[in-house]
Amino acid sequence: AQKITQTQPGMFVQEKEAVTLDCTYDTSDPSYGLFWYKQPSSGEMIFLIYQGSYDQQNATEGRYSLNFQKARKSANLVISASQLGDSAMYFCAMREGVDNFNKFYFGSGTKLNVKP
Amino acid sequence: ETGVTQTPRHLVMGMTNKKSLKCEQHLGHNAMYWYKQSAKKPLELMFVYNFKEQTENNSVPSRFSPECPNSSHLFLHLHTLQPEDSALYLCASSQGQGQAQETQYFGPGTRLLVL
Repeated sequence: AQKITQTQPGMFVQEKEAVTLDCTYDTSDPSYGLFWYKQPSSGEMIFLIYQGSYDQQNATEGRYSLNFQKARKSANLVISASQLGDSAMYFCAMREGVDNFNKFYFGSGTKLNVKP
Repeated sequence: ETGVTQTPRHLVMGMTNKKSLKCEQHLGHNAMYWYKQSAKKPLELMFVYNFKEQTENNSVPSRFSPECPNSSHLFLHLHTLQPEDSALYLCASSQGQGQAQETQYFGPGTRLLVL
């Protein structure tokens, strides 16, 4: 089974509107971390936001927020007030357990296009 | 320089060439990673080093040879590559404490084309 699933290969959003990028994960480990990264066409993976499995509140970082639904094993990224510069690939990732440097899994990504 | 840097940014090589990719992190981290990103595939973890010791080799062919002389530098030596090895190679680093919340920070990548 895939550890991280991103079901939206591509998304369009109008500038200034909000958009939700979906991510579901699969783990039986009680301790895990969920991450979102942005990858512009230049290639660099830019860290956006983190959510821990024990965190009670949804993480927020500026215009980014993470809708964490633990029972459903979903960690959707919400981008508010989209900007043209938000057009990029977005990857959901999970680190599973502790002392497991190799257990860092990425989804297949969602390509977001922001329309003017 | 800050963050994670990678050189070269672009590389074209023949199948008989030998080349090396370099990664340097300026974040004081102790863990470093090599990833391969091919078109239409999820990122593939290749190698992990923690405190200069290799902790993971995800069944990577021997034509890829990593080297980690210290916690700040990571190399990927390439020899007799195949065209299917053409990809974006990303280096990352993290604190090295192995905690679930440990974030990986990435470099800009090296775009490799094997002819």
